[in-house]
Amino acid sequence: EAEVAQSPRYKITEKSQAVAFWCDPISGHATLYWYRQILGQGPELLVQFQDESVVDDSQLPKDRFSAERLKGVDSTLKIQPAELGDSAMYLCASSFRGDQPQHFGDGTRLSIL
Amino acid sequence: GQQVMQIPQYQHVQEGEDFTTYCNSSTTLSNIQWYKQRPGGHPVFLIQLVKSGEVKKQKRLTFQFGEAKKNSSLHITATQTTDVGTYFCAGGKGAQKLVFGQGTRLTINP
Repeated sequence: EAEVAQSPRYKITEKSQAVAFWCDPISGHATLYWYRQILGQGPELLVQFQDESVVDDSQLPKDRFSAERLKGVDSTLKIQPAELGDSAMYLCASSFRGDQPQHFGDGTRLSIL
Repeated sequence: GQQVMQIPQYQHVQEGEDFTTYCNSSTTLSNIQWYKQRPGGHPVFLIQLVKSGEVKKQKRLTFQFGEAKKNSSLHITATQTTDVGTYFCAGGKGAQKLVFGQGTRLTINP
């Protein structure tokens, strides 16, 4: 079981609905990442936080995706409205700082019907 | 933007054979990290290389970072069934985001 906690593990929902994922990083890790991983591909960074600040969200589809880390600890990633193409594994990771090894959670597998 | 390419995409070997995956970046990196993802699992950090020409070993695994800091390789000697999974390299530039390669999926015939 991963040290980075994510929930839920699985989410099935219909298109146009709202979806939210939660991540609790390893204690003391200042940097938190949200990745999307499509089957057969490598993780793609959606957003990177340093404490509570966003340092990179260049690949986040901001018209429908949002992410926050209000107190610099846990984080929420939201999709509204969900589209069929959003079906993927959403991974959260954390590291002590931005150039250090990343520790991944077990991920949330999202299926959009 | 920065791109990281890995080859081969798939590799199937007999148990006991060696395995190598190669990673190439379109730009010079400050560090490269390697991760392993078991089927149904999440990526797990293996190692980080930061110096030009660096070579590191972990038991049967040997990691190299190229002299120009644009390429890297992972070599596994005498594969075992526990080595099954997808191996990802990820290139970094300081505290900037890591860019992952598409991975090499290793399957092993016992």
